Amino acid sequence: EADIYQTPRYLVIGTGKKITLECSQTMGHDKMYWYQQDPGMELHLIHYSYGVNSTEKGDLSSESTVSRIRTEHFPLTLESARPSHTSQYLCASRTGTRNTEAFFGQGTRLTVV
Amino acid sequence: DAKTTQPPSMDCAEGRAANLPCNHSTISGNEYVYWYRQIHSQGPQYIIHGLKNNETNEMASLIITEDRKSSTLILPHATLRDTAVYYCIVTPNQAGTALIFGKGTTLSVSS
Repeated sequence: EADIYQTPRYLVIGTGKKITLECSQTMGHDKMYWYQQDPGMELHLIHYSYGVNSTEKGDLSSESTVSRIRTEHFPLTLESARPSHTSQYLCASRTGTRNTEAFFGQGTRLTVV
Repeated sequence: DAKTTQPPSMDCAEGRAANLPCNHSTISGNEYVYWYRQIHSQGPQYIIHGLKNNETNEMASLIITEDRKSSTLILPHATLRDTAVYYCIVTPNQAGTALIFGKGTTLSVSS
């Protein structure tokens, strides 16, 4: 079992609200990632971090922001949620060693109404 | 752009072997082939990976052609719980490189 957790699992929120999606891992992994996935579509990388105080944008442009103040914690924030942000958000982590697999959380399914 | 090409869907009878192909004709010497699967939009689950030798673990076998331009994931005895989207990913052998997903193959196992 992977020790990476996302909360909440499901979130329905009104337009204009600020939200933070939580992602935590207890494996001591340096590398962490956020992916966005619309129903029936592939995963798109939106943010990644190679360690504390390191954050980078991924291949898919996103209005969300991330922070990495602690190794185990990589929250994603939307300052003002819109219906276009409705999607599933998946967090993953990986060690800093070559040739290792990534572990994924169960995802947060976000609906903005 | 994804570096791999997979058929969009495949069917398999329960108890039979499922052979999922992947084309990665532009793979470079330091790139690994990883396989993940995603069941009902849950978080993707790691299956297996390899560089050039065939690999086997408790879940599956990975056969990589000698020229490394294609590979096949084999689930030896498919069950209904193996119904999922299977992703073949080529990634450099660099510490912590993010995985870039394509569209994958939807495998449907039926009784």
